Amino acid sequence: GAGVSQSPSNKVTEKGKDVELRCDPISGHTALYWYRQSLGQGLEFLIYFQGNSAPDKSGLPSDRFSAERTGGSVSTLTIQRTQQEDSAVYLCASSPDRGISSYNSPLHFGNGTRLTVT
Amino acid sequence: AQRVTQPEKLLSVFKGAPVELKCNYSYSGSPELFWYVQYSRQRLQLLLRHISRESIKGFTADLNKGETSFHLKKPFAQEEDSAMYYCALSPLMDTGRRALTFGSGTRLQVQP
Repeated sequence: GAGVSQSPSNKVTEKGKDVELRCDPISGHTALYWYRQSLGQGLEFLIYFQGNSAPDKSGLPSDRFSAERTGGSVSTLTIQRTQQEDSAVYLCASSPDRGISSYNSPLHFGNGTRLTVT
Repeated sequence: AQRVTQPEKLLSVFKGAPVELKCNYSYSGSPELFWYVQYSRQRLQLLLRHISRESIKGFTADLNKGETSFHLKKPFAQEEDSAMYYCALSPLMDTGRRALTFGSGTRLQVQP
């Protein structure tokens, strides 16, 4: 079946421009995550959506970053007034609801969007 | 706060040698620990989780609560094991940040 889909796969933008990154999770997955992967920095948590609950935005690095998830499915990560330090691979992941178990379901990752700010 | 530490950025071994990728964590509650792997030009994927107590592709990892460690081990490395490995933590129960907290990753290079 289809996995997590992210678009675009690559984005080059000028400093100061706004960008939007899109994530299509696996159908039926209620949890959606955004991470940022930078060279030497590993995976940095950005934001987490779970069903209809308020998102966990605690990882967003500044107020230039925002994300929304419409209809509990597609998510868009928006970066306003991009800076060179925003250059990274932005990864989206989804997972099924925990359900009655407290154990965490594995994350299914997309291929990421490589953002380059010039 | 949740924290995962992978002290080695790069680990280089020869084919057939044992491998141990180190992971230490900091979390006050009961954690669930994972290892994720990213092979060249592939997406990040789950390798194994401590709950399952399984061996995947010859890799095992034991949760040591006393040492707060979850090291990944394989007795005989293969060239196809070359990849980026990430250790990750999530609360076992519904407390703390539910999203996975990842370490900075270790690149494993297995030389012929």
